[in-house]
Amino acid sequence: AQSVTQLDSHVSVSEGTPVLLRCNYSSSYSPSLFWYVQHPNKGLQLLLKYTSAATLVKGINGFEAEFKKSETSFHLTKPSAHMSDAAEYFCVVRPPLGFGNEKLTFGTGTRLTIIP
Amino acid sequence: EAGVTQFPSHSVIEKGQTVTLRCDPISGHDNLYWYRRVMGKEIKFLLHFVKESKQDESGMPNNRFLAERTGGTYSTLKVQPAELEDSGVYFCASSPRGALAKNIQYFGAGTRLSVL
Repeated sequence: AQSVTQLDSHVSVSEGTPVLLRCNYSSSYSPSLFWYVQHPNKGLQLLLKYTSAATLVKGINGFEAEFKKSETSFHLTKPSAHMSDAAEYFCVVRPPLGFGNEKLTFGTGTRLTIIP
Repeated sequence: EAGVTQFPSHSVIEKGQTVTLRCDPISGHDNLYWYRRVMGKEIKFLLHFVKESKQDESGMPNNRFLAERTGGTYSTLKVQPAELEDSGVYFCASSPRGALAKNIQYFGAGTRLSVL
């Protein structure tokens, strides 16, 4: 079984300040973890993924996330927020490849607002 | 290369009517997935096709939902008869087969279904 908890439903930061979106997961195996982003009227876009390689994962648009097994966390960060980062962000878990199960399990989403 | 395309973008129907949603995956992608987000809830898995075969339909809520993928290309999701609780955003995703998948599912923009 697997589950994801996004600890904040809404986060507001000022432009140019750091972003932290928190995610904790629960899994009975070593999962693959993802962050997806959805801008208004757009599809879900993959930001980054962790699949048991390096624990610090770099994604697009300056985002990165660190996999911490001891804390079962996969928080998303960005050093300096930009207005274009305003969107909804989803933390996602899935079983590793070869597990015979490809369904993604989503968190409830965090809506990021950027204050000018 | 075209991404995952979903039609319509928005559908408004009355309770008891039938609605058919369509998904065109990325060309050449054998895997096709349907997900749904009911308002205020997380995005949840509905089912997974490999080509024209249903690999996993464990997330389908009840027998009012029928998914098809004739010929292994586009897929349709029919809701008949629609109920109020079916309102939400229906997402489709696709990925290539095997190692080419790289553990990534590519999403469409979704169809927003409103049942009145």
